[in-house]
Amino acid sequence: DSGVTQTPKHLITATGQRVTLRCSPRSGDLSVYWYQQSLDQGLQFLIQYYNGEERAKGNILERFSAQQFPDLHSELNLSSLELGDSALYFCASSGTINTGELFFGEGSRLTVL
Amino acid sequence: AQRVTQPEKLLSVFKGAPVELKCNYSYSGSPELFWYVQYSRQRLQLLLRHISRESIKGFTADLNKGETSFHLKKPFAQEEDSAMYYCALFNQGAQKLVFGQGTRLTINP
Repeated sequence: DSGVTQTPKHLITATGQRVTLRCSPRSGDLSVYWYQQSLDQGLQFLIQYYNGEERAKGNILERFSAQQFPDLHSELNLSSLELGDSALYFCASSGTINTGELFFGEGSRLTVL
Repeated sequence: AQRVTQPEKLLSVFKGAPVELKCNYSYSGSPELFWYVQYSRQRLQLLLRHISRESIKGFTADLNKGETSFHLKKPFAQEEDSAMYYCALFNQGAQKLVFGQGTRLTINP
C-alpha cells in the first residue's frame, strides 16, 4: 500500500508523558500535514512540511513539535501530555504545496489518562 | 480569518430522497472549496472540488459567492452515502486547508 501510513494506530499514555507519532507520506509526495481531531473541535490544522521545511503553522501548542526527515517521513512529538490532548491525530500528504487536495492516513488515536 | 460552518451535525434522510448538506464560509480572498468524505472504517478522502465542477457518486456542489455557500447535493440518496462529510476551504495566503465541523449523514432504508 503506497498510501499515507501512520503509526501507532492506538496509544494510551498518562498525563505528563511524551509520545511520538509517525507518518509516511504517499510515494512521491513531498508535503506532509498534521491535523488534530477532537470531539468538540473538529479537524484542526496543526502544521505543514514540504521537503523537510516547515511551510505553514496552525494552532499547534508549544508542547507539540514536528519535523520532516530527509526520507520525507514526519514525526509529531507531543510532550507534557494533558487529558485534553486525547484526540485522533491525522497525517496527510500531497504532491505539491499550495493545494487543498490532501491524501489522509487512518490516524493515530491518542488517549491520555 | 477564514471560517467554514456546517450547521448540521447530523442529517438523516430516507433512501431515494434528495440530500443537501449545507456549508457556509467566510474568507476575504477567492475561495477554493472542497468536500471530503469519511465512510465507516475508511480514511478521509476527497469527494469533490469546486474548481472542477464535477459530479462524483451523483453528488454536486455549486459555489455561491453571493451567499458564501458551497452546499453538497444529491437528488436521490443511496444507503452507501451514509458517512461523515466535511466541507473545507483552502486558504491561499496561509496555505492551509480549513475544515468545517462535519455532518454525519445517515440514509435510512
